Amino acid sequence: DIQMTQSPSSLSASVGDRVTITCRASQAIDIYLAWFQYKPGKAPKSLISATSTLQSGVPSRFSGSGSGTDFTLTISSLQPEDFAIYYCQHYKNYPITFGQGTRLEIK
Amino acid sequence: EVQLVESGGGLVQPGGSLRLSCAAFGFTASDHYMDWVRLAPGKGPEWVGRTRDKPNGYSTEYAASVRGRFTISRDDSKNSLYLQMNSLKTEDTAMYFCARVSRSGAYFDFWGLGTLVTVSS
Repeated sequence: DIQMTQSPSSLSASVGDRVTITCRASQAIDIYLAWFQYKPGKAPKSLISATSTLQSGVPSRFSGSGSGTDFTLTISSLQPEDFAIYYCQHYKNYPITFGQGTRLEIK
Repeated sequence: EVQLVESGGGLVQPGGSLRLSCAAFGFTASDHYMDWVRLAPGKGPEWVGRTRDKPNGYSTEYAASVRGRFTISRDDSKNSLYLQMNSLKTEDTAMYFCARVSRSGAYFDFWGLGTLVTVSS
């Protein structure tokens, strides 16, 4: 199975800050990497697919990059609604696996 | 508007069974691969399994941790999918989500709110 390692596990930041979350795969996954946002009590929201493709309706302050084994999610200017848990996920093969998550909190 | 609505969660004893449902709205579920994903307290998400679309015969894939105990099925007349969970273990305790797989790539594009399953004596 491909292991997905996210860092940091938690992050405190302020509105307007630029933040970057990293995700490393235990083997090459080409560009088959997605990011989603989760707020407990709400449906998870898909943000990015294929490493860097923004899903419809997702603000342009979100961006993704990387290839092979190393990937990043960047939020260019944090907004109050962005404080949530972020997960990466590969879909290169079965089983699909996820990172442990990054909890983004207000400083 | 695409919506996925899960139901059927609850408290069950170890060794027991439960059937979760996921009703799809705003699209035809048979046109999509559909997955179940679970999120246990203090852990990252875990993929549970997949049912492919109608042209692919609704064939299935399962995580090793649930293979032989869980079964995914569909009912086209109700535009729904199901997760039959047997021989439940305490480690199956989690929020269970259904997720739609995009037709333009094998990623999840929509998720439901989830339904909570607690396995405890």
